[in-house]
Amino acid sequence: NAGVTQTPKFQVLKTGQSMTLQCAQDMNHNSMYWYRQDPGMGLRLIYYSASEGTTDKGEVPNGYNVSRLNKREFSLRLESAAPSQTSVYFCASSGTLRTALKLQETQYFGPGTRLLVL
Amino acid sequence: KQEVTQIPAALSVPEGENLVLNCSFTDSAIYNLQWFRQDPGKGLTSLLLIQSSQREQTSGRLNASLDKSSGRSTLYIAASQPGDSATYLCAVSPGYSTLTFGKGTMLLVSP
Repeated sequence: NAGVTQTPKFQVLKTGQSMTLQCAQDMNHNSMYWYRQDPGMGLRLIYYSASEGTTDKGEVPNGYNVSRLNKREFSLRLESAAPSQTSVYFCASSGTLRTALKLQETQYFGPGTRLLVL
Repeated sequence: KQEVTQIPAALSVPEGENLVLNCSFTDSAIYNLQWFRQDPGKGLTSLLLIQSSQREQTSGRLNASLDKSSGRSTLYIAASQPGDSATYLCAVSPGYSTLTFGKGTMLLVSP
């Protein structure tokens, strides 16, 4: 199991350029997420997909679009990159662990994509 | 809007010390609380998950407690080691999926 994979690992863009960040998971999870992490701000949710075919906005969706291509893949697109989008982007997926009495859901994170917008 | 605060922002201790990291949240209507570890330049790894009906969870040298009514959680690390050096993040979930994160506590354990 590779878990959650993200491509690319690093990217430099010029203002106004577009790009798509790719994410895939092999754990058969229904839910997938995109976060950004900035110094002093912590992780903030951009978009999430509770199941294949559905997407919802998170805390900071402006300037981004997402596509849940199938159960495995969830991509994040920057249509016109801005310097304020310089950040580290994390994809995550979540699945449910059924214990004796309870359902527990935890998120599994990819290694991140470091994006610099000049 | 849920807000999660972690104190202290940074902590430096000598190897072998027991230590406590604190997390507080403003809305007690949570489904669960999780503690994550993040190593520099890496993604997050889940350490412990506490359901809202639970008071604590333990994994090895780690013990996390939850007081939902007061909006607080603590992560206790026993006999700290240099390999414990990382940033520790607390996150709460209002429902089944989304998480709200704190800004983390950066821990340095020196030999």
